[in-house]
Amino acid sequence: EIVMTQSPATLSVSPGERATLSCRASQSVSSNLAWYQQKLGQAPRLLIYGASTRATGIPARFSGSGSGTEFTLTISSLQSEDFAVYYCQQYSNWPPGTFGPGTKVDIK
Amino acid sequence: EVQLVQSGAEVKKPGESLKISCKGSGYSFTTYWIGWVRQMPGKGLEWMGIIYPGDSDTRYNQSFKGQVTISADKSISTAYLQWSSLKASDTATYYCTRRPPGRDGYNFDDYWGQGTLVTVSS
Repeated sequence: EIVMTQSPATLSVSPGERATLSCRASQSVSSNLAWYQQKLGQAPRLLIYGASTRATGIPARFSGSGSGTEFTLTISSLQSEDFAVYYCQQYSNWPPGTFGPGTKVDIK
Repeated sequence: EVQLVQSGAEVKKPGESLKISCKGSGYSFTTYWIGWVRQMPGKGLEWMGIIYPGDSDTRYNQSFKGQVTISADKSISTAYLQWSSLKASDTATYYCTRRPPGRDGYNFDDYWGQGTLVTVSS
């Protein structure tokens, strides 16, 4: 089973600053990697799929990169509504839906 | 508009059975996989399994196989997650998701239901 790890566990950022979140897979998942945002008390929302393609309606300040085992989600200029927990998910190997433990982005 | 609407919160006792639902609308229900994801209180997301409503092809994460049953009724565009004997450790919020077709279920989850909180306590 593929194990997904994310770092850091918590990222403290000031509004307007750039945030860089990392996700690593225990073996190659090619570009079969998605990112989700979950705000407190809400369901997760798809941000990025295919490692770098923004989902419908997602602002351009969100970008994804990477392939193989190393991936990055970048939020170019944090807005107040971006403070949330972010999860990566691989869908390349069985079981096709393994999530990382999440990175919480909070206000510095 | 694509929507996944889940049934309401449940409070159950250990040993009781339960079936929660997820109704899809705004798209062709039979041509997208439906997945289920568990989130225990204060914890992360765990992928449980998926079903293809078109032919009821079902796959489970080994961690959940035998613990839950995933099913679907395509005539009413509804998927289900059920337990025959709940435990306190089943207390969690359960989300249904939609997966785009193709790739035999190996895909991301593009839409999510609002979640169903299941509380199991004596």
